[in-house]
Order: sequence, then C-alpha cells, then structure tokens
Amino acid sequence: EIVLTQSPATLSLSPGERATLSCRASQSVSTSVAWYQQKPGQAPRLLIFDASSRATGIPARFSGSGSGTDFTLTISTLEPEDFAVYYCQQRSNWPPLFTFGPGTKVDIK
Amino acid sequence: ELQLVESGGGFVQPGRSLRLSCAASGFIFDDFAMHWVRQGPGKGPEWVSGIDWDSKNIGYADSVKGRFTIFRDNAKNSLHLQMNSLRTEDTAFYYCVKDISPEYSTSLGAFDIWGQGTMVTVSS
Repeated sequence: EIVLTQSPATLSLSPGERATLSCRASQSVSTSVAWYQQKPGQAPRLLIFDASSRATGIPARFSGSGSGTDFTLTISTLEPEDFAVYYCQQRSNWPPLFTFGPGTKVDIK
Repeated sequence: ELQLVESGGGFVQPGRSLRLSCAASGFIFDDFAMHWVRQGPGKGPEWVSGIDWDSKNIGYADSVKGRFTIFRDNAKNSLHLQMNSLRTEDTAFYYCVKDISPEYSTSLGAFDIWGQGTMVTVSS
C-alpha cells in the first residue's frame, strides 16, 4: 500500500506570497499524481493531474512538478480565494487504487 | 452545464444496506469512467470505487471490497453504489465523481467533476 505524506500540515502566508506544497509517496508512483483544492462546505476541485498538467479553467498561477516519489504544487502568487486545503492523490499501478494525502491547509497569516 | 446529483443517503444502523444513486447531465456519460469518493467528518477524501465507461473493469478500496458494489446504467446516465453490511466507519459524505479518462483501469486519477455529495450516517 502506497502512503502519501504532505508537508507542511499548515502553511500560513499572506496574499501575494508564493506557496510551495510538498507530497511524498512511500514508493514510486511515476507521474500519476493529482492535486485538489477544497474549501469548507465544497467538494474537492481538480487543479493538476499527471503531476504537471493543469485542469481546464485552472489559473496559470497553479503549477505542479515532480516524478517518482516527490511532487510539488506551487501557487506563484496567492490570491484571497486560494486559501483552502490542498490534497495530493496518487494512483497505484495494478490494481488501480487511488490514495489521497492528509492535506495541507493554506491559511492567511 | 456538467452536473452530477447524488441521492439515497441517510441514517442507517450497522449491518444494514443502502443504495446511492447519481444522475449525470451535461456530458456524454458513457464516454467516461466514474467513481465514488467519500469523505468522513473532518477527514480527507477516500476513494471508494471506480468503473470503466463500459463496466468492463471495476475496482474497490480494500475497506469496502466484498461489501459495496458499483454499477452504472449508461442508457439512463446514472451511477449507483450498493452498500451492504454497513459499518460505523462508513459514515461519510459520498461523492459521485467523473474521470477525464474513459477507463478506470488506465485512469490518471484526474477526477474533474464532483457532485454535491450525499451524507451516509451509520449508527445504532
């Protein structure tokens, strides 16, 4: 079973700052990693898939990188609406199983 | 507008059964794999089950295997989750989710459309 670790658990930043979120897998998952944003009372929203591909309608300030076991979500310049919880998700090879990480909360400093 | 609307949640005692349904609209339903993802109170999302566009391949999380059954009716643009032998740890919001891929078996895990969720509470 692949275990995902996200760090930090909480990231306190101000609007306009850069956010760097980390996701580490317990074993290599190639590039089958996605990132989701979730706000209170809402369903998760797909931001990034295949480690670095932006989903439809996602602003360019969101970018993803990484391969193997280490992945990063970067928000280049935080907007007020970006303060939320971010989850990484990976897919195992076979059988296909999908695991979400514990999340990183980005809150206002 | 792309939309997924879940129904069927509620309060149920441990050991009982419940069936969730999801009505899809605004896209060609039988072009895409579909999934159920749940989220317990104050917890992160947990993938429950996925199904190919043609139901050829189906998968389950270990936590529900043997108790839950996913199935779809492409003629009615609907997805379902039959949940048997429910446990208190199954208490969660259950989301119907669309994949960007047609096949669950080759999915990148890109779940691009989510319903609003339906709450399932398992308690005595």
